[in-house]
Amino acid sequence: DAGVTQSPTHLIKTRGQHVTLRCSPISGHKSVSWYQQVLGQGPQFIFQYYEKEERGRGNFPDRFSARQFPNYSSELNVNALLLGDSALYLCASSLAGGSRQPQHFGDGTRLSIL
Amino acid sequence: KQEVTQIPAALSVPEGENLVLNCSFTDSAIYNLQWFRQDPGKGLTSLLLIQSSQREQTSGRLNASLDKSSGRSTLYIAASQPGDSATYLCAVNQGRGTASKLTFGTGTRLQVTL
Repeated sequence: DAGVTQSPTHLIKTRGQHVTLRCSPISGHKSVSWYQQVLGQGPQFIFQYYEKEERGRGNFPDRFSARQFPNYSSELNVNALLLGDSALYLCASSLAGGSRQPQHFGDGTRLSIL
Repeated sequence: KQEVTQIPAALSVPEGENLVLNCSFTDSAIYNLQWFRQDPGKGLTSLLLIQSSQREQTSGRLNASLDKSSGRSTLYIAASQPGDSATYLCAVNQGRGTASKLTFGTGTRLQVTL
């Protein structure tokens, strides 16, 4: 079975632009979460969606938004890109919502802002 | 605010040695703790998940323990191999209801030498 898939794998943007990152969860998984990992740091929680509703939001500005589709895939959108948005963006899926489910991560999208 | 600390930040050991990685967290109100492995430039691979009611989990050469009351977890790797070289991250999950939110440490970078 396919794991969590993310696209694109790499992306280069300039300051002020907008970006959309995509995530397909493991088949049957209904919860998707997004994390930002800056070089040398642990991942930081951005959003979690379960059954197409936002269930949690981390300490990120309103330039960050996300949504989950009826097939449980998800998009992360970032507007007005800043140099500090350069990071590895990770998507994780779990079978259901809630804290007892193990999280399974994709290989991430490497976003570079010039 | 939950804070997760991992010690040591980096570790180099000869092949065959047994080793222990440490993880501590400040808020003991967690639902579970998960250990991950991250290879350079890659996503996270889940190694072990310990629910808050459990004391330890084992998978092959890996054993993870959890002492929730003292806010500590350890990952024990037996008979280390060069292929174990990676960054190891621990994360605690504190989401309520259908929410799920992982808080990560900054990781231990492990190098196993021949």
